[in-house]
Amino acid sequence: AQRVTQPEKLLSVFKGAPVELKCNYSYSGSPELFWYVQYSRQRLQLLLRHISRESIKGFTADLNKGETSFHLKKPFAQEEDSAMYYCALEADRGSTLGRLYFGRGTQLTVWP
Amino acid sequence: KAGVTQTPRYLIKTRGQQVTLSCSPISGHRSVSWYQQTPGQGLQFLFEYFSETQRNKGNFPGRFSGRQFSNSRSEMNVSTLELGDSALYLCASSLSPGNGAYEQYFGPGTRLTVT
Repeated sequence: AQRVTQPEKLLSVFKGAPVELKCNYSYSGSPELFWYVQYSRQRLQLLLRHISRESIKGFTADLNKGETSFHLKKPFAQEEDSAMYYCALEADRGSTLGRLYFGRGTQLTVWP
Repeated sequence: KAGVTQTPRYLIKTRGQQVTLSCSPISGHRSVSWYQQTPGQGLQFLFEYFSETQRNKGNFPGRFSGRQFSNSRSEMNVSTLELGDSALYLCASSLSPGNGAYEQYFGPGTRLTVT
């Protein structure tokens, strides 16, 4: 069964420090992985997806199929990065095609 | 381009009642998905519609149902409400489901409180 695990419920760093939000998944096929972000009082929005291999707001994420991980990283955190981050997996086949499986989320706080 | 809209934004119902939530996708989007968000279970997939057909359903009881209209607008219905149905219900739309090629855009959600 598909599963997404975000081991850290809360993560705090100081401004300018590197940040890494962990995400591990279990899925037998070739999943599509995403990071969604929810800023305070805003709707959930896509931050980045592994298929596009892009950097958004300084964040990057690399899919490591060997370790089944898709960790989100930023070298220098900013206060405006404080938000709830969700890792999500989309199955590539079968009856679950198109369905997103979300992790429980990590609340990131960046202190000044 | 207008985003995904959901109505109503807040709702208070009593146990045993039923409720209907509405979602209007972004213009041109044909796929609509529904999610339930609770502090205890996080974000859980309810169902997904594409071209008026339910293509995917999560592990929720039959009290949860939905439909999609020809204009891609979608409704979800919960009958015989239980206290545990209190949650934020999110709707997301995309051009087409699957393959990670199409981004899902989320609405602001409907906050349902069952008393």
